[in-house]
Amino acid sequence: AQSVTQPDIHITVSEGASLELRCNYSYGATPYLFWYVQSPGQGLQLLLKYFSGDTLVQGIKGFEAEFKRSQSSFNLRKPSVHWSDAAEYFCAVGAPQAGGGNKLTFGTGTQLKVEL
Amino acid sequence: DAGVIQSPRHEVTEMGQEVTLRCKPISGHDYLFWYRQTMMRGLELLIYFNNNVPIDDSGMPEDRFSAKMPNASFSTLKIQPSEPRDSAVYFCASSLTGSIQYFGAGTRLSVL
Repeated sequence: AQSVTQPDIHITVSEGASLELRCNYSYGATPYLFWYVQSPGQGLQLLLKYFSGDTLVQGIKGFEAEFKRSQSSFNLRKPSVHWSDAAEYFCAVGAPQAGGGNKLTFGTGTQLKVEL
Repeated sequence: DAGVIQSPRHEVTEMGQEVTLRCKPISGHDYLFWYRQTMMRGLELLIYFNNNVPIDDSGMPEDRFSAKMPNASFSTLKIQPSEPRDSAVYFCASSLTGSIQYFGAGTRLSVL
């Protein structure tokens, strides 16, 4: 069964600083990988996804992530954080199912705080 | 598009009562997923449907939980009887191909 580890529960960065959120996954085949963001009281919004091809993927709001198969990682980065980026970030791995669709397994999330 | 619509946004009920959560997926999406989010267990997939047919309900915690999808534009998640440990945020998500899932705003359930 697949699993996702987000080792950092909380991260605090200053506005304008760079950001990297870590994600490690366990999956037997080539994974589908996702980053979602959740603001307080809101649902999850997709930031970016990796299915195949270029291992550096660009997402919305200036985020990017790099798939590294050798390290089983899919870390999320942003060169300059804005105060509005404060939220909880979830990494997920998707496993195709025989009945169709993908079963997503989420990490425990990283809470990002941005200091002004 | 209005996105995935869930109702109610908040539900407070007493232990033993029946609770029904509702979801309207994005029009044209063939897949619908129900998740539960708690502090202790994080985000868990409860059940998902493909073309209104339940595909995998292995995440449904027990027989008190049931989910239906009578048509392509509506699904319900029912808890009967409800217990305090069912308190959580319940999310519905829909997907066109089953790969990229779009989430609703969730229903925050409190069982007293």
